[in-house]
Amino acid sequence: QSALTQPASVSGSPGQSITISCTGTSSDVGGYDFVSWYQQHPGKAPKLLIYDVSERPSGVSTRFSGSKSGSTASLTISGLQAEDEADYYCCSYAGSDSWVFGGGTKLTAL
Amino acid sequence: QVHLVQSGAEVKKPGASVKVSCRASGFTFMDVYIHWVRQAPGQGLEWMGRIIPSSGATSYAQKLQGRLTMAMDTSTSTHYMELSSLRSEDTAVYYCATDGGDHNFDYWGQGTLVTVSS
Repeated sequence: QSALTQPASVSGSPGQSITISCTGTSSDVGGYDFVSWYQQHPGKAPKLLIYDVSERPSGVSTRFSGSKSGSTASLTISGLQAEDEADYYCCSYAGSDSWVFGGGTKLTAL
Repeated sequence: QVHLVQSGAEVKKPGASVKVSCRASGFTFMDVYIHWVRQAPGQGLEWMGRIIPSSGATSYAQKLQGRLTMAMDTSTSTHYMELSSLRSEDTAVYYCATDGGDHNFDYWGQGTLVTVSS
């Protein structure tokens, strides 16, 4: 199972919107609406931001949104804040009780 | 609320085994699936496997088949992850996480650093 493809890094200025892509195949991202996104600050455990492609858990800011087209999922962060600077990972169910993560994207708030 | 408390850091020699624990609280132990995810230094997240407490059924990542064992102790609400035949590439922080019910990982333990070094 190959890792999903994410850009290594993205950056944006405070107040801007940024989008992180996550590309898989028809066996994972394209085959199921079970894409989730995680935020990880240095030295901390990951935090669930988005599940089922576009659903937000209770307590997660509405500035975070998710979408999917074909085999590519996307995470958009609007109104970028300094505290959003972190690593972001996508994850997809890949069938047969298996899951696959993306390689991760480092977000820098300029 | 949900808490997953993991055991402390470990240092192991190549070829040895390591067993990491994950004590759960704040939910009905038998109702919630548990995943294990690891992260090598400076690297991304890697899904390792999942256990269904009500049946004990497990599912492991293909690359870890034969070396990975997940188990649990219902009397202490504790999950265990054991990895054998350790090699340097297994050096990582190991996390347990609850399955949110929709193929996601909604609560995470604090992580356990396992270092494999001769």
